[in-house]
Amino acid sequence: GAGVSQSPSNKVTEKGKDVELRCDPISGHTALYWYRQSLGQGLEFLIYFQGNSAPDKSGLPSDRFSAERTGGSVSTLTIQRTQQEDSAVYLCASSPGAGFNEKLFFGSGTQLSVL
Amino acid sequence: AQSVSQHNHHVILSEAASLELGCNYSYGGTVNLFWYVQYPGQHLQLLLKYFSGDPLVKGIKGFEAEFIKSKFSFNLRKPSVQWSDTAEYFCAEYNPGTYKYIFGTGTRLKVLA
Repeated sequence: GAGVSQSPSNKVTEKGKDVELRCDPISGHTALYWYRQSLGQGLEFLIYFQGNSAPDKSGLPSDRFSAERTGGSVSTLTIQRTQQEDSAVYLCASSPGAGFNEKLFFGSGTQLSVL
Repeated sequence: AQSVSQHNHHVILSEAASLELGCNYSYGGTVNLFWYVQYPGQHLQLLLKYFSGDPLVKGIKGFEAEFIKSKFSFNLRKPSVQWSDTAEYFCAEYNPGTYKYIFGTGTRLKVLA
């Protein structure tokens, strides 16, 4: 596609339910990042993929959070047993490679609301 | 831990006023600095970036930023803002050792027409 695509754009769920957020990066981009954007908190790094592997999972807030990437393309971020503090905008970004001169291309995000 | 600090959380200016948004980074290694902007209802997009060379970097829409190594700063400036500059601005640093882009908390700019 022309840009980074995220789905759903909005998700309302009940506390305790599992949710899956999807990111479809720009074709050919090998690096993929997930961030969480909360009011007043800026962009919190969650996880980074180079191809299908995630060398750095240190940003995942708890073991309820997991992410995978298959075929070097689509990535899913899964949150199990959601809590109210998980409510935020989850942003995905991709770049052609993991280099210092690579700008990030962002999707429009998934607004997650946990009731 | 690596961090990026943005001192101004909310800024309100009138059109034609000058703008300076503060940003301080912490990583002491090779510097890779960015400013991103998020206009209302739009994606985050790159405004400008600095890796080396002239410490005064020019970006899109008349924005510029100055890298001052001694102050660990990378402040964003614009001589005369427009109503269309109303947006949220994020400073970011890339750590080539960890491949992480670390973002600041953002500054919400409102320009009054």
